[in-house]
Amino acid sequence: GAVVSQHPSWVICKSGTSVKIECRSLDFQATTMFWYRQFPKQSLMLMATSNEGSKATYEQGVEKDKFLINHASLTLSTLTVTSAHPEDSSFYICSRSSLYEQYFGPGTRLTVT
Amino acid sequence: AQSVTQLGSHVSVSEGALVLLRCNYSSSVPPYLFWYVQYPNQGLQLLLKYTSAATLVKGINGFEAEFKKSETSFHLTKPSAHMSDAAEYFCAVSDPVTGGGNKLTFGTGTQLKVEL
Repeated sequence: GAVVSQHPSWVICKSGTSVKIECRSLDFQATTMFWYRQFPKQSLMLMATSNEGSKATYEQGVEKDKFLINHASLTLSTLTVTSAHPEDSSFYICSRSSLYEQYFGPGTRLTVT
Repeated sequence: AQSVTQLGSHVSVSEGALVLLRCNYSSSVPPYLFWYVQYPNQGLQLLLKYTSAATLVKGINGFEAEFKKSETSFHLTKPSAHMSDAAEYFCAVSDPVTGGGNKLTFGTGTQLKVEL
């Protein structure tokens, strides 16, 4: 069964509003989780590494003030897209880390109108 | 820095035919290598992984891949394609020093189409 869940699976919001996406590790306490972004028919791009109890580590070019990540517990990481714009529309996928691999959530489709 | 190259963004095979999806990597150290499959509007599912054990790795759904250090390749194969194999396939690499569960670098993906 699934080991990582995401909520919501899809969301539509108006430009200028903020949207929060939750990522839960269902079977394991995860000190590290990852957030990816995927544009249509493209590969996954790592946005940031979420660390429980400390600040997230963002990849080069990712606006940390726009994509707020909170890893408040060992089973939950959240990504908040602040002041969303149509160009933020994308498929957002989280994963949790284990020793040898990552387990991915089902993804969240964000559409900003 | 590590990188992954997937040759062929689209591959089309007939049902029952051999599937071959190509992946070449660049890494200064022997890496961990992965193949993931993604169905439309879904997350990624691990097909198989190489973590420095046997070079021929068998995965789910009849897929396998062979790590060839001399060719820096990790091609994915399946002897007989099924309609349900139609999906997007991603090759990925990670640094074994930091752990296979850490930063993954993905290839650009290969869309597999299976025709009757």
